[in-house]
Parts: sequence; structure tokens; C-alpha cells
Amino acid sequence: AVQLTQSPSSLSAAVGDRVSITCRASQGISTALAWYQQKPGKPPKLLIYEASSLESGVPSRFSGSGSGTDFTLTISTLQPEDFATYYCEQFNNYPRLTFGGGTKVEIK
Amino acid sequence: EVQLVESGGGLVQPGGSLRLSCVASGFNFSTYEMNWVRQAPGKGLEWVSHIRRSGSALFYGDFVKGRFSISRDNAKNSLYLQMNSLRAEDTAVYYCARDAAYGRLDCWGQGTLVTVSS
Repeated sequence: AVQLTQSPSSLSAAVGDRVSITCRASQGISTALAWYQQKPGKPPKLLIYEASSLESGVPSRFSGSGSGTDFTLTISTLQPEDFATYYCEQFNNYPRLTFGGGTKVEIK
Repeated sequence: EVQLVESGGGLVQPGGSLRLSCVASGFNFSTYEMNWVRQAPGKGLEWVSHIRRSGSALFYGDFVKGRFSISRDNAKNSLYLQMNSLRAEDTAVYYCARDAAYGRLDCWGQGTLVTVSS
């Protein structure tokens, strides 16, 4: 089964910073990857699908890139509402899904 | 408004059973495949199960090992998860999630907490 490793597991950043989170797959998955944002006590929210497609209604400061085994979620200019935990998800073996371990973005 | 509302969680003893429900509104439920995803306290997300639009095909995470059963009633806009032989490690918030296409989970419920403890 494909495993996803996110790095870092947590990071501290300031409002206005550019932030990048990496997700590495244990084998090539083409662009079968999505990114979610989760705030405490809330369900996840879809940000990016198919590695780089922005979900409707998601601010353009969020972007995704990558294919194969290495993927990146970038927040171009961090906003106060972006402090949350981010998860990648792979669907190469759809409908079986796998999630990464998460990256918590905290306020510096 | 597109909405998913779960119910049925609670405290259950090890070896016990629970049936979770998820009621959909604001969209044509029968045209979407659906998933259950869980999250243990303080932990990450774990996919549990998937069901096709008609309920004709069912899929489960390896950890389920025949203990859970997913189903749906399109006439009632409802998704279910029957959980048997529950273990302490099944303690989690269980979310139902709409599958827009190929793992694109674009709508989630608020979740229902299942606690397995004696």
C-alpha cells in the first residue's frame, strides 16, 4: 500500500510568510493527490485536488504542485485564518484512500 | 446548502456494536459515492470505507477485518456504518464525506464521536 510522509510535522510561521509543506509517496502516484486543511474541532476542508487543481472557493494563495512521488502545498502569503493542520491524501488505489500524518502550522 | 449530518456515536464497551448514520441534504445524494473517514483523538485522518452510488460495491480499510459494514438508502438520503466487535482502537470521530470524484472529498459532516471503553 502507498504510504505518504509529510514534512515537517509542524512549523512556526508569521503572518505574511510563504509556507511550503511536502508530501512524499512511497511509490509513484502520478497526480493522484489532494490537500486538506483542518482546524481544531472542525472537519477537514478540501483545498487542492489532482495535485494542483484549486477547489472552488479556496483562496488563490494556496497552490499545489508535484507528480510521481514528491508533492508540495504552498501558501504564498500566510493569513491568520491559515493556522491549522494540513493533510495530503492519495487516491492512486481509488477508492482506497491514504492520508499523510499531517503538518501543523502554528503562529510564530 | 450542501450538508451532511452524522449521528449514532456514543460510549460502547469493547466487543459491542454501534450504527452510525449520515443524512445528506442540499444535493442529489444518489449521484455521489460516499466515504467514512475517522480520526482518533489527537491523531490524523484514516479512511474507513467507501460505497458506490447504487451501493453495488463496497470497500474497506484493512483494519476493518469484516467488523464494519457500509450501506446507503438513496430514498432516505442516508449513509450508514454498522460497526461490530468494537475495540478500544476504534475510538475516534467518524466523518462521512462526499466523494466528488476520485478521492476528492469535497463535503464533510461535523463528525460523531465513538468511544470504546469499559
